[in-house]
Amino acid sequence: DTGVSQNPRHKITKRGQNVTFRCDPISEHNRLYWYRQTLGQGPEFLTYFQNEAQLEKSRLLSDRFSAERPKGSFSTLEIQRTEQGDSAMYLCASTSGLATFTDTQYFGPGTRLTVL
Amino acid sequence: KNEVEQSPQNLTAQEGEFITINCSYSVGISALHWLQQHPGGGIVSLFMLSSGKKKHGRLIATINIQEKHSSLHITASHPRDSAVYICAVRKRDGDKIIFGKGTRLHILP
Repeated sequence: DTGVSQNPRHKITKRGQNVTFRCDPISEHNRLYWYRQTLGQGPEFLTYFQNEAQLEKSRLLSDRFSAERPKGSFSTLEIQRTEQGDSAMYLCASTSGLATFTDTQYFGPGTRLTVL
Repeated sequence: KNEVEQSPQNLTAQEGEFITINCSYSVGISALHWLQQHPGGGIVSLFMLSSGKKKHGRLIATINIQEKHSSLHITASHPRDSAVYICAVRKRDGDKIIFGKGTRLHILP
């Protein structure tokens, strides 16, 4: 399977704990995006990387959230001191980014976080 | 007001009906995407448009840049088309994508 993969698929945690999600993009895709989707809403942009550089962060990404893509391949999204409001589906997408006007975002299956 | 608005929010139709989902946006864009989200969260990109019209099978997507409006049409709808359809725009002044809230489509057999 050469699509975008995300792990874990589901995560249940207690409030105050830290969680980390991983996204493996399609091989050689240089752009990687993180989104959050709450029930009944469309996805919301969180941040994106061009290779290993984090180029933009949404104001939704509070200081409890950090994302990395150290080698320009897989990315991790960490949430510290989780709150119940963090419960959502966290989606990752990647693109080749070779031509901004024609690139398609390929989405992973998402990680569903439940904070108790 | 959201920068991307979709209508209707929910749509139930009989198998075989012609379906139209609308998307209006209020920002300058470089591209508009139509996405399909299945139960469980999986998202599939259907179309990327910057002008005109695209067709893939029973799906047709159109965009009117002057009116800042796009439509997604499904001909001869089928129960397997039941999903949430999301419109997303790429703002012209950056790489951020803004999503609509989605249209939940349910096709009855």
